[in-house]
Amino acid sequence: ELKVEQNPLFLSMQEGKNYTIYCNYSTTSDRLYWYRQDPGKSLESLFVLLSNGAVKQEGRLMASLDTKARLSTLHITAAVHDLSATYFCAVDMDYGQNFVFGPGTRLSVLP
Amino acid sequence: DAGVTQSPTHLIKTRGQQVTLRCSPISGHKSVSWYQQVLGQGPQFIFQYYEKEERGRGNFPDRFSARQFPNYSSELNVNALLLGDSALYLCASRLVQGARGYGYTFGSGTRLTVV
Repeated sequence: ELKVEQNPLFLSMQEGKNYTIYCNYSTTSDRLYWYRQDPGKSLESLFVLLSNGAVKQEGRLMASLDTKARLSTLHITAAVHDLSATYFCAVDMDYGQNFVFGPGTRLSVLP
Repeated sequence: DAGVTQSPTHLIKTRGQQVTLRCSPISGHKSVSWYQQVLGQGPQFIFQYYEKEERGRGNFPDRFSARQFPNYSSELNVNALLLGDSALYLCASRLVQGARGYGYTFGSGTRLTVV
């Protein structure tokens, strides 16, 4: 059974600081996705990572994938309050039949 | 372009009742999946349909059922509701099953409260 873990589960950081969220998964997969969820809202797609060594960047967020280590990271640079949300990683199982989500990292950026 | 649409947005039901949730995928998307998200947790996979056939089922009891229609819209039915069924139910669609490069696009969800 595929398990997806995220670390940390809760993150409170000051504006302007850098931090990394980690996503570990238990079985081989080369497809990993990052989503953002604001309170009471649905999931917004952030990044799609499809191969070992893939790196994607959008604004202050950068995601990477190491399939050998079964690890993805979401790096936050110079955090701003607007990045406050819950971030989920999801791993593709069974050739896209379903995603297995991590528990989420609740990020709070303080002024 | 309309995204994934779900109805209703909110629903309150009594224990033991039955509920039907509806989803219309993005035009051209033939794959629809349903997820349950309990407050404070990540979404849990319930069902996946492709071309009107069930292609995946998560670890949910038989009280949960779904179907996909010829226009690729989908319904999720839950019978004999329990308090623990209270959650945000998310529908997601995808262009082609197993298509590389495409994640699921999620709808806004149906917030189900069982009292």
